[in-house]
Amino acid sequence: GAVVSQHPSRVICKSGTSVKIECRSLDFQATTMFWYRQFPKKSLMLMATSNEGSKATYEQGVEKDKFLINHASLTLSTLTVTSAHPEDSSFYICSARDRASGLQETQYFGPGTRLLVL
Amino acid sequence: GEDVEQSLFLSVREGDSSVINCTYTDSSSTYLYWYKQEPGAGLQLLTYIFSNMDMKQDQRLTVLLNKKDKHLSLRIADTQTGDSAIYFCAESGGASGGYNKLIFGAGTRLAVHP
Repeated sequence: GAVVSQHPSRVICKSGTSVKIECRSLDFQATTMFWYRQFPKKSLMLMATSNEGSKATYEQGVEKDKFLINHASLTLSTLTVTSAHPEDSSFYICSARDRASGLQETQYFGPGTRLLVL
Repeated sequence: GEDVEQSLFLSVREGDSSVINCTYTDSSSTYLYWYKQEPGAGLQLLTYIFSNMDMKQDQRLTVLLNKKDKHLSLRIADTQTGDSAIYFCAESGGASGGYNKLIFGAGTRLAVHP
């Protein structure tokens, strides 16, 4: 149980285009999902917290107009990188919290999406 | 702000024990976690410990928490080549982030050699 998927796993796009990344909880409902960015040989940095049916909460320094987050259902959150630039190239990882779990503090992570902007 | 620090690299011989260390600064952290990341993959939760515990054992994994020193360790007994990965220490429930925010260390790369 507690499987989180991401799609696509890898994407290459041209500078200036937009890219959408999907995060799905496959066997549980997630009222809260999280989007992280991981730089090479670095830690994960939380970008935003996505709440089903409401606006995402962005961390300081993360441009909300650049990284659009939509949490349309209890099993799906999307991250859209708008007008992508080479500096947006990174590994993006989502996580989800199981609403039914008594252990609210546990986040289940997706396999990540590697974005390369040319 | 909060900070979580780990040594970046550890090399062990197959069959030996591995000990990965982590220190954190937020004394109000409630949960501390160990995650494993294999190449090109997401994070897998290995184990966690609540801050009022000193030790937790789960098969080959032993977590030790010294709350006074804000030091967390992960011991892997009988380390195997399949244990080669990056291990992340993380905390939550601290003063600024609360339960929503996981604060990660930079990760320790464990290399297991024959």
